[in-house]
Amino acid sequence: GAVVSQHPSRVICKSGTSVKIECRSLDFQATTMFWYRQFPKQSLMLMATSNEGSKATYEQGVEKDKFLINHASLTLSTLTVTSAHPEDSSFYICSARGGWDGGYGYTFGSGTRLTVV
Amino acid sequence: GENVEQHPSTLSVQEGDSAVIKCTYSDSASNYFPWYKQELGKGPQLIIDIRSNVGEKKDQRIAVTLNKTAKHFSLHITETQPEDSAVYFCAATGFQKLVFGTGTRLLVSP
Repeated sequence: GAVVSQHPSRVICKSGTSVKIECRSLDFQATTMFWYRQFPKQSLMLMATSNEGSKATYEQGVEKDKFLINHASLTLSTLTVTSAHPEDSSFYICSARGGWDGGYGYTFGSGTRLTVV
Repeated sequence: GENVEQHPSTLSVQEGDSAVIKCTYSDSASNYFPWYKQELGKGPQLIIDIRSNVGEKKDQRIAVTLNKTAKHFSLHITETQPEDSAVYFCAATGFQKLVFGTGTRLLVSP
C-alpha cells in the first residue's frame, strides 16, 4: 500500500528560529500534498494544499510567510515554520494523494510534534 | 464549502459490544467518505472508505453505510476490542480537500 514518511516525528526549537518538516511519498507519486495542523483533542485543520511544481494554496487565516510550503518533486513536500513562537506549538500532519488508487487515496504521514520554547 | 458534523464526541462501550458513529455532510457534490482511526501521537490511519455510488461496505468487523439523500454516513464496529480504543474521524470530499468531522473518542472497556 501507499506509504508517506514524515520527519522529524518530534522537534523542539527556540522561539524565533525556523523548523523544516519533510513529507515523502515512498512508493507512489504524490500529485497533491496537504498539510494539516492539529491541536490537542481537536480535529485536523487544513493549512494548505500543494501541487507539484506550483505554489501552495493556503486556507483562510493561515499566514503564507510564516508557513512556507515547497512541493518541488512528486515525492517530496516540505513545511517550514519560520520565526516560530510558542503559539505555533502543535501537531503537524501531511497527507499525499496520488493516482495509484484512481486518485482517491489520501495517505497520511505519522505527524510531527513541534514544541517551541 | 463542505461542513461535516460528527456524533457522538465520546463513546464508551464494553468489549464485545457494537459501536456506531454518525456523520452528516452538507455538500451534495462530495463523493468520497473515508473513516480514519487516530491513536495518540500518530497520524490518522484509513480504516474504511466508501464512494457515493455504493450504499454499504464491510470489512470484517467494520462497516460503513451511506445515505446520499439524507447526506449522512455511519461507521459500525462490531465485537469491539480494547485495541479499538482510539479517536475516529469521518471525512468527506469531492475529490479535492478532505473535510474532517470533529472526531469521536471511543473507549472499549475489557
